[in-house]
Amino acid sequence: KAGVTQTPRYLIKTRGQQVTLSCSPISGHRSVSWYQQTPGQGLQFLFEYFSETQRNKGNFPGRFSGRQFSNSRSEMNVSTLELGDSALYLCASSLAGIFPGLFFGPGTRLTVL
Amino acid sequence: SQQGEEDPQALSIQEGENATMNCSYKTSINNLQWYRQNSGRGLVHLILIRSNEREKHSGRLRVTLDTSKKSSSLLITASRAADTASYFCATDARNTDKLIFGTGTRLQVFP
Repeated sequence: KAGVTQTPRYLIKTRGQQVTLSCSPISGHRSVSWYQQTPGQGLQFLFEYFSETQRNKGNFPGRFSGRQFSNSRSEMNVSTLELGDSALYLCASSLAGIFPGLFFGPGTRLTVL
Repeated sequence: SQQGEEDPQALSIQEGENATMNCSYKTSINNLQWYRQNSGRGLVHLILIRSNEREKHSGRLRVTLDTSKKSSSLLITASRAADTASYFCATDARNTDKLIFGTGTRLQVFP
């Protein structure tokens, strides 16, 4: 089975712009989670989708949003980018939840100038 | 916010030595998981231990869990240069599907 894929792998944006990141989960996986990783804050949970519904949400402002499509592919959007949004954004998939573990993609490295 | 804190933050050892990393967490959990991350890449799931288990083994990995102390440890025996990576513990809050990661331990194994 192909692993979790994320596109694009690298992205450079300027403050105020918006960005959309894409994640394709492992075939058959219905749960997709998103994490932000920065040197200062570590791995922070953004949100989790299951069967097109957001089931869990982290403590991020409303500028961060996501969605999941009927084929389980997911996108996350960040509007009005700030310098502090520069991070590695990781997507993870699983069959139905966090048990017995998540399968992570390689991440999208976002740089905001 | 992070559920877990790991100790030490960084660890350097020689090949063949054992590496021990510790994780402490704050709230009751169902499971605790350990992940490895090679420099700036995605995480790889290593092992899961349930809250009613005390010890679990997988190859060169040994994980312990002490729910009374809200702590876990990961032992990598006979380390190899390829084990060089960051290691994270992750816990779930009861009745949620949120996996919350610790701060991580950076392990460097010298040949």
